[in-house]
Amino acid sequence: DTGVSQDPRHKITKRGQNVTFRCDPISEHNRLYWYRQTLGQGPEFLTYFQNEAQLEKSRLLSDRFSAERPKGSFSTLEIQRTEQGDSAMYLCASSEGIQGPETQYFGPGTRLLVL
Amino acid sequence: GNSVTQMEGPVTLSEEAFLTINCTYTATGYPSLFWYVQYPGEGLQLLLKATKADDKGSNKGFEATYRKETTSFHLEKGSVQVSDSAVYFCALSDLNTGGFKTIFGAGTRLFVKA
Repeated sequence: DTGVSQDPRHKITKRGQNVTFRCDPISEHNRLYWYRQTLGQGPEFLTYFQNEAQLEKSRLLSDRFSAERPKGSFSTLEIQRTEQGDSAMYLCASSEGIQGPETQYFGPGTRLLVL
Repeated sequence: GNSVTQMEGPVTLSEEAFLTINCTYTATGYPSLFWYVQYPGEGLQLLLKATKADDKGSNKGFEATYRKETTSFHLEKGSVQVSDSAVYFCALSDLNTGGFKTIFGAGTRLFVKA
């Protein structure tokens, strides 16, 4: 068990560019979550998958954000036309999906800086 | 909606001091409560949890009791160590009203001096 991994760990981009982040959950974990964390704040929920189905999306997830989890394994989070306000740490977490509530296991995060 | 409020930091203590980090919550249902910890340069990890009223979660010398009457889940440790320096997040999850997402407090940074 290698834990939740995220790639890249850091991303610097210019405003208006598109970026894509990847998350590999713990194998056999059915649930996958994306959160955003800004400096001095706790993580804020963005979206959640049960296997390949995206079951819940936060109002924080504007139409510039899209997330996928094809085949119920890894997930990608894409931000189109990035804005400076998108600068944050993007966290991925996974859980077993057997019953709730469950312990969520977090990855190290992808730190995004939009110039 | 559901929310979590925790005491502002930073909290600075000397080694072996007693630690309390206050956490209160607002929830319309019966949430499960968590404390997560983030050590410098590392990802969040679960420290302890409690799923119903009067449950006590404990781990690594830390404890927290789910108090429904005061809607609180305060984190305590009798004797802190330098290695406990980290950011601590109180959180809740309420399947009935909030789905599977977890709602986090803003975090409390703890510094422990030798």
